[in-house]
Amino acid sequence: DTEVTQTPKHLVMGMTNKKSLKCEQHMGHRAMYWYKQKAKKPPELMFVYSYEKLSINESVPSRFSPECPNSSLLNLHLHALQPEDSALYLCASRPGTGGSPLHFGNGTRLTVT
Amino acid sequence: GESVGLHLPTLSVQEGDNSIINCAYSNSASDYFIWYKQESGKGPQFIIDIRSNMDKRQGQRVTVLLNKTVKHLSLQIAATQPGDSAVYFCAERSLAGGTSYGKLTFGQGTILTVHP
Repeated sequence: DTEVTQTPKHLVMGMTNKKSLKCEQHMGHRAMYWYKQKAKKPPELMFVYSYEKLSINESVPSRFSPECPNSSLLNLHLHALQPEDSALYLCASRPGTGGSPLHFGNGTRLTVT
Repeated sequence: GESVGLHLPTLSVQEGDNSIINCAYSNSASDYFIWYKQESGKGPQFIIDIRSNMDKRQGQRVTVLLNKTVKHLSLQIAATQPGDSAVYFCAERSLAGGTSYGKLTFGQGTILTVHP
């Protein structure tokens, strides 16, 4: 089991739906990340939060809206997605200082119909 | 642009053999490197890391080698087991503007298959 918990594990949504992905960690980590991973590809960075503030947005379309309500939670709000947005969405965290590895959750498998 | 890549997309070995997975990187400013293992249906799992001021680091059954001269990273797995079958990613950390935490960029991945 991973110490980064992501819900739901699977999500199917239509292009007009609004849904949210959730991520939670209780390791006291102060940096949290969203990555997107297509099949047979490496994870691609979307957003980075450090100390609950958005520090990196990798030019992600506005139909993806991140939110960090507190230091343990990270959400990704989805609206008006396209079928090509179907992917595995990974959340990760790390302590936030110095060089340290990211701890990943097992992801949410998103299918947009 | 800067990239992290792998020489071999697939690697098949027999149980008990040693495995070597290679990675080339191009960002000379990267200061920290990580190897991850990703099994089907799971997120990437940390294996071992190395800082740019080192050239070798050993863990349990795994060794990472860093050659900054040729910008090459490798992961050696000793006595490979069927449970080692997975996709292996190298990743490099580069410091991004406006943050001291940097961002992690992943290489393309190598599929390791271990035959009993």
